[in-house]
Amino acid sequence: QSALTQPPSASGSPGQSVTISCTGTSSDVGGYNYVSWYQHHPGKAPRLIIYEVSKRPSGVPDRFSGSKSGNTASLAVSGLQADDEADYYCTSYGGSNDVIFGGGTKLTVL
Amino acid sequence: QVQLVQSGVEVKKPGASVKVSCKASGYTFSSYGISWVRQAPGQGLEWMGWISGSSGNTKYALNLQGRVTMTTDTSTSTGYMELRSLTSDDTAVYFCARRSLFSLDYWGQGTVVTVSS
Repeated sequence: QSALTQPPSASGSPGQSVTISCTGTSSDVGGYNYVSWYQHHPGKAPRLIIYEVSKRPSGVPDRFSGSKSGNTASLAVSGLQADDEADYYCTSYGGSNDVIFGGGTKLTVL
Repeated sequence: QVQLVQSGVEVKKPGASVKVSCKASGYTFSSYGISWVRQAPGQGLEWMGWISGSSGNTKYALNLQGRVTMTTDTSTSTGYMELRSLTSDDTAVYFCARRSLFSLDYWGQGTVVTVSS
Protein backbone atom coordinates (compact mmCIF):
# COMPACT_ATOMS: atom_id res chain seq x y z
CA GLN A 1 0.00 0.00 0.00
CA SER A 2 1.16 3.55 -0.73
CA ALA A 3 1.73 6.12 1.95
CA LEU A 4 -1.08 8.56 2.64
CA THR A 5 -0.55 11.96 1.04
CA GLN A 6 0.06 14.97 3.25
CA PRO A 7 1.31 18.43 2.29
CA PRO A 8 4.99 18.68 3.25
CA SER A 9 4.50 21.95 5.06
CA ALA A 10 1.90 24.24 6.60
CA SER A 11 2.16 27.47 8.51
CA GLY A 12 0.21 30.06 10.44
CA SER A 13 0.69 32.94 12.83
CA PRO A 14 0.01 32.65 16.57
CA GLY A 15 -3.71 32.67 17.24
CA GLN A 16 -4.63 31.68 13.71
CA SER A 17 -6.02 28.37 12.49
CA VAL A 18 -4.48 25.87 10.11
CA THR A 19 -5.74 22.67 8.51
CA ILE A 20 -3.62 19.73 7.38
CA SER A 21 -5.01 17.22 4.90
CA CYS A 22 -4.37 13.50 4.59
CA THR A 23 -5.49 11.81 1.38
CA GLY A 24 -5.75 8.10 0.88
CA THR A 25 -8.06 5.77 -0.99
CA SER A 26 -11.32 3.93 -0.46
CA SER A 27 -9.22 1.01 0.80
CA ASP A 28 -7.87 2.94 3.76
CA VAL A 29 -9.00 6.44 4.77
CA GLY A 30 -12.30 6.22 2.93
CA GLY A 31 -13.06 2.67 3.99
CA TYR A 32 -12.60 2.85 7.74
CA ASN A 33 -13.10 5.33 10.57
CA TYR A 34 -9.65 4.56 11.94
CA VAL A 35 -7.70 7.67 11.09
CA SER A 36 -5.27 8.89 13.75
CA TRP A 37 -3.05 11.96 13.98
CA TYR A 38 0.27 12.28 15.79
CA GLN A 39 2.29 15.31 16.83
CA HIS A 40 6.05 14.79 16.76
CA HIS A 41 8.56 17.24 18.13
CA PRO A 42 12.02 16.22 16.81
CA GLY A 43 14.01 14.27 19.36
CA LYS A 44 10.91 13.33 21.36
CA ALA A 45 8.39 10.53 21.20
CA PRO A 46 5.36 11.09 18.95
CA ARG A 47 2.10 11.96 20.72
CA LEU A 48 -1.37 10.74 19.75
CA ILE A 49 -3.66 13.75 19.36
CA ILE A 50 -6.63 12.35 17.38
CA TYR A 51 -7.91 8.81 16.99
CA GLU A 52 -10.89 7.27 15.18
CA VAL A 53 -11.09 10.35 12.92
CA SER A 54 -12.23 12.89 15.49
CA LYS A 55 -11.74 11.65 19.05
CA ARG A 56 -9.24 13.35 21.35
CA PRO A 57 -7.29 11.45 24.02
CA SER A 58 -7.45 12.81 27.52
CA GLY A 59 -5.19 15.83 27.92
CA VAL A 60 -5.25 16.94 24.28
CA PRO A 61 -6.68 20.46 24.02
CA ASP A 62 -9.84 21.00 22.01
CA ARG A 63 -7.86 23.33 19.75
CA PHE A 64 -7.05 20.12 17.87
CA SER A 65 -9.89 18.57 15.89
CA GLY A 66 -10.19 15.90 13.22
CA SER A 67 -12.64 15.17 10.44
CA LYS A 68 -13.02 13.10 7.31
CA SER A 69 -14.76 13.45 3.97
CA GLY A 70 -14.51 10.63 1.49
CA ASN A 71 -10.89 9.59 1.09
CA THR A 72 -9.46 12.68 2.78
CA ALA A 73 -9.02 13.26 6.49
CA SER A 74 -8.14 16.61 8.01
CA LEU A 75 -6.55 17.90 11.18
CA ALA A 76 -7.47 21.41 12.24
CA VAL A 77 -5.45 23.36 14.77
CA SER A 78 -6.99 26.57 16.05
CA GLY A 79 -5.47 29.28 18.23
CA LEU A 80 -1.97 28.39 17.07
CA GLN A 81 0.68 28.46 19.76
CA ALA A 82 4.46 28.35 19.48
CA ASP A 83 4.55 24.85 20.93
CA ASP A 84 2.32 23.58 18.11
CA GLU A 85 5.32 23.85 15.81
CA ALA A 86 6.09 20.20 15.08
CA ASP A 87 5.71 17.46 12.50
CA TYR A 88 2.24 15.99 12.14
CA TYR A 89 1.50 12.53 10.81
CA CYS A 90 -1.75 10.88 9.89
CA THR A 91 -2.30 7.13 9.87
CA SER A 92 -5.13 4.95 8.68
CA TYR A 93 -6.05 1.33 9.04
CA GLY A 94 -5.48 -0.21 5.63
CA GLY A 95 -7.14 -3.57 6.02
CA SER A 96 -5.36 -6.89 6.63
CA ASN A 97 -4.25 -5.60 10.01
CA ASP A 98 -1.98 -3.00 8.37
CA VAL A 99 -1.44 0.61 9.33
CA ILE A 100 -0.41 3.20 6.76
CA PHE A 101 1.40 6.39 7.65
CA GLY A 102 1.26 9.69 5.85
CA GLY A 103 4.48 11.33 4.80
CA GLY A 104 4.23 13.99 7.48
CA THR A 105 3.60 17.74 7.51
CA LYS A 106 5.94 20.23 9.10
CA LEU A 107 3.85 22.90 10.82
CA THR A 108 5.60 26.23 11.29
CA VAL A 109 4.23 28.88 13.62
CA LEU A 110 5.37 32.17 12.11
CA GLN B 1 0.85 5.69 34.60
CA VAL B 2 1.55 3.92 31.33
CA GLN B 3 5.24 3.86 30.43
CA LEU B 4 7.24 2.20 27.72
CA VAL B 5 11.00 2.18 28.32
CA GLN B 6 13.28 1.12 25.49
CA SER B 7 16.83 -0.21 25.48
CA GLY B 8 19.81 1.98 24.66
CA VAL B 9 21.81 3.07 21.67
CA GLU B 10 23.04 0.40 19.29
CA VAL B 11 25.88 0.56 16.77
CA LYS B 12 26.05 -2.34 14.33
CA LYS B 13 28.04 -3.34 11.29
CA PRO B 14 26.35 -4.08 7.97
CA GLY B 15 25.03 -7.62 7.88
CA ALA B 16 24.59 -7.84 11.64
CA SER B 17 21.36 -8.06 13.63
CA VAL B 18 19.92 -5.82 16.32
CA LYS B 19 17.36 -6.56 19.02
CA VAL B 20 15.59 -3.66 20.73
CA SER B 21 13.54 -4.12 23.87
CA CYS B 22 10.52 -2.21 25.14
CA LYS B 23 9.50 -2.69 28.78
CA ALA B 24 5.92 -1.76 29.55
CA SER B 25 4.41 -0.77 32.87
CA GLY B 26 1.25 0.79 34.23
CA TYR B 27 -1.25 -1.42 32.36
CA THR B 28 -2.16 -5.04 31.73
CA PHE B 29 0.40 -6.01 29.11
CA SER B 30 -1.67 -8.79 27.56
CA SER B 31 -4.62 -6.45 26.90
CA TYR B 32 -2.80 -4.42 24.26
CA GLY B 33 -0.48 -4.99 21.35
CA ILE B 34 2.93 -3.47 20.78
CA SER B 35 3.74 -1.74 17.54
CA TRP B 36 7.15 -0.73 16.19
CA VAL B 37 7.75 2.41 14.14
CA ARG B 38 11.03 3.81 12.86
CA GLN B 39 12.29 7.12 11.57
CA ALA B 40 15.38 7.31 9.39
CA PRO B 41 17.37 10.57 9.41
CA GLY B 42 15.45 13.29 7.62
CA GLN B 43 12.56 10.95 6.84
CA GLY B 44 9.05 10.42 8.12
CA LEU B 45 7.67 7.78 10.44
CA GLU B 46 7.46 4.24 9.05
CA TRP B 47 5.24 1.53 10.50
CA MET B 48 7.17 -1.72 10.89
CA GLY B 49 4.49 -3.98 12.28
CA TRP B 50 2.90 -5.14 15.48
CA ILE B 51 2.41 -8.00 17.84
CA SER B 52 -0.54 -8.96 20.00
CA GLY B 53 0.17 -8.80 23.71
CA SER B 54 -2.01 -11.82 24.35
CA SER B 55 -1.75 -14.24 21.42
CA GLY B 56 1.65 -13.27 20.05
CA ASN B 57 0.16 -12.94 16.57
CA THR B 58 2.18 -10.63 14.39
CA LYS B 59 1.76 -8.50 11.30
CA TYR B 60 4.82 -7.07 9.57
CA ALA B 61 5.21 -4.37 6.95
CA LEU B 62 5.67 -5.95 3.52
CA ASN B 63 9.08 -4.38 2.95
CA LEU B 64 10.47 -5.90 6.16
CA GLN B 65 9.01 -9.39 5.98
CA GLY B 66 11.75 -11.97 6.27
CA ARG B 67 14.10 -9.64 8.14
CA VAL B 68 12.08 -8.60 11.19
CA THR B 69 10.77 -10.61 14.11
CA MET B 70 8.66 -9.19 16.92
CA THR B 71 8.21 -11.09 20.16
CA THR B 72 6.94 -10.53 23.66
CA ASP B 73 7.74 -11.85 27.11
CA THR B 74 4.55 -11.56 29.11
CA SER B 75 6.36 -12.53 32.32
CA THR B 76 8.34 -9.28 32.18
CA SER B 77 5.85 -7.20 30.12
CA THR B 78 8.51 -6.62 27.50
CA GLY B 79 8.33 -6.48 23.75
CA TYR B 80 11.24 -7.12 21.44
CA MET B 81 12.01 -6.23 17.85
CA GLU B 82 14.84 -8.01 16.04
CA LEU B 83 16.02 -6.81 12.64
CA ARG B 84 18.51 -8.89 10.67
CA SER B 85 20.85 -8.35 7.72
CA LEU B 86 21.25 -4.69 8.57
CA THR B 87 22.26 -2.13 5.96
CA SER B 88 22.89 1.58 6.22
CA ASP B 89 19.24 2.10 5.23
CA ASP B 90 18.27 0.66 8.61
CA THR B 91 19.98 3.52 10.47
CA ALA B 92 17.07 5.11 12.29
CA VAL B 93 15.39 5.85 15.58
CA TYR B 94 13.19 2.91 16.51
CA PHE B 95 10.07 3.48 18.60
CA CYS B 96 7.76 1.03 20.30
CA ALA B 97 4.19 2.07 21.02
CA ARG B 98 1.15 0.58 22.67
CA ARG B 99 -1.49 -0.38 20.15
CA SER B 100 -5.03 0.58 21.13
CA LEU B 101 -7.27 -0.78 18.38
CA PHE B 102 -5.72 0.98 15.38
CA SER B 103 -3.99 3.87 17.06
CA LEU B 104 -0.75 4.09 19.06
CA ASP B 105 -1.56 5.78 22.32
CA TYR B 106 1.65 5.57 24.32
CA TRP B 107 5.19 5.60 22.95
CA GLY B 108 8.64 4.66 24.13
CA GLN B 109 11.44 7.19 24.14
CA GLY B 110 13.10 5.77 21.02
CA THR B 111 16.27 3.77 20.42
CA VAL B 112 18.96 5.01 18.06
CA VAL B 113 20.34 2.29 15.82
CA THR B 114 23.32 3.17 13.67
CA VAL B 115 24.58 0.81 10.99
CA SER B 116 28.10 1.63 9.89
CA SER B 117 31.24 -0.20 8.85
